[in-house]
Amino acid sequence: AQSVTQPDIHITVSEGASLELRCNYSYGATPYLFWYVQSPGQGLQLLLKYFSGDTLVQGIKGFEAEFKRSQSSFNLRKPSVHWSDAAEYFCAVGAGDYKLSFGAGTTVTVRA
Amino acid sequence: SQTIHQWPATLVQPVGSPLSLECTVEGTSNPNLYWYRQAAGRGLQLLFYSVGIGQISSEVPQNLSASRPQDRQFILSSKKLLLSDSGFYLCAWNRGIDSGNTIYFGEGSWLTVV
Repeated sequence: AQSVTQPDIHITVSEGASLELRCNYSYGATPYLFWYVQSPGQGLQLLLKYFSGDTLVQGIKGFEAEFKRSQSSFNLRKPSVHWSDAAEYFCAVGAGDYKLSFGAGTTVTVRA
Repeated sequence: SQTIHQWPATLVQPVGSPLSLECTVEGTSNPNLYWYRQAAGRGLQLLFYSVGIGQISSEVPQNLSASRPQDRQFILSSKKLLLSDSGFYLCAWNRGIDSGNTIYFGEGSWLTVV
């Protein structure tokens, strides 16, 4: 079965600085990969997804992620963080059945 | 466009009381439907999924049950709540038989069992 690891539980970044969130997955074939964002007390919103093709994926809110098969990683990046980016971020992997497996999440705090 | 609604948004229930959380999807037909639970400081745990009316798959043994009485309605229930049932419950849907199809989430329901 597929699994996802987000090594960083909490990241603090200054407004305007760059952000990178790490995601590693375990799956024998090429998975479907997703990043979701969750604001406090709300549901999850899809930021971006990778199915195939170009390994650099652009998403909403200025985020991008890069699929690296050799490293089994799908890290999320944003060049310049805004205060509104403070939230919890989840990486997820799908393996062709009905279900997604989610990582434990990374909480991002943005300081002024 | 498609929308997903779940209610109630917040619920405080005593131990041993019943539970019913409802979820409906609009703007699509025959969706796959999901219930996830998010406990404090933890990731999302898939509780149930359904690929059609009356078809429920349970991912983990627990004190909860799910039902799908209509195509776009998914209900999470319990006969007697436990303290450990507290958490944030998310309903979700997607199309097709492939999890490559994006899952869309509702706004969530906060359940506190006291």
